[in-house]
Amino acid sequence: DAGITQSPRHKVTETGTPVTLRCHQTENHRYMYWYRQDPGHGLRLIHYSYGVKDTDKGEVSDGYSVSRSKTEDFLLTLESATSSQTSVYFCAISTGWNTEAFFGQGTRLTVV
Amino acid sequence: GENVEQHPSTLSVQEGDSAVIKCTYSDSASNYFPWYKQELGKGPQLIIDIRSNVGEKKDQRIAVTLNKTAKHFSLHITETQPEDSAVYFCAASSGNDMRFGAGTRLTVKP
Repeated sequence: DAGITQSPRHKVTETGTPVTLRCHQTENHRYMYWYRQDPGHGLRLIHYSYGVKDTDKGEVSDGYSVSRSKTEDFLLTLESATSSQTSVYFCAISTGWNTEAFFGQGTRLTVV
Repeated sequence: GENVEQHPSTLSVQEGDSAVIKCTYSDSASNYFPWYKQELGKGPQLIIDIRSNVGEKKDQRIAVTLNKTAKHFSLHITETQPEDSAVYFCAASSGNDMRFGAGTRLTVKP
């Protein structure tokens, strides 16, 4: 999977608790993305990063924050998890806009 | 923002037949159109892409066509095989705004 590792792969958490998902890459790609995948919606962009400490919002950013302190790591934080954030989360990397995106294996998050 | 619609949501074909998946997009500024294949339990993987200055692109059994005037693009898989069974996503991008279709579950029956 192009040197992308997501952790954890599965997580069950309670409503109202903070959750952090980690994406680690070994490809030195400049761009990193967090998507969520839900039935009937395909993949929707949450946040993306175009460099260390450079991030921006995507289509569905409410309730999520991100940080990128190193080229290789991109963290997604749910400040206070809600049941509507139950989803499969994918990290992706690319060398630039409109280039091939390489996806991680995904993290299945369940908020109960 | 961009809106991408994908049809059909499910498609079942006999091995050896062709499969066609269609997508429409709304933003005329979109200029990059990738197709991803997702197998069970894995992340999506790019299978082919096309840019707005090209009308058609082929890679072995897979082809993609783009009609910019009508704002639609299609994926064609010929001589389907059981290993083509997966979920396929189209996407349209104008740079930092890539939107995906809802996906098509393709089943190839042996």
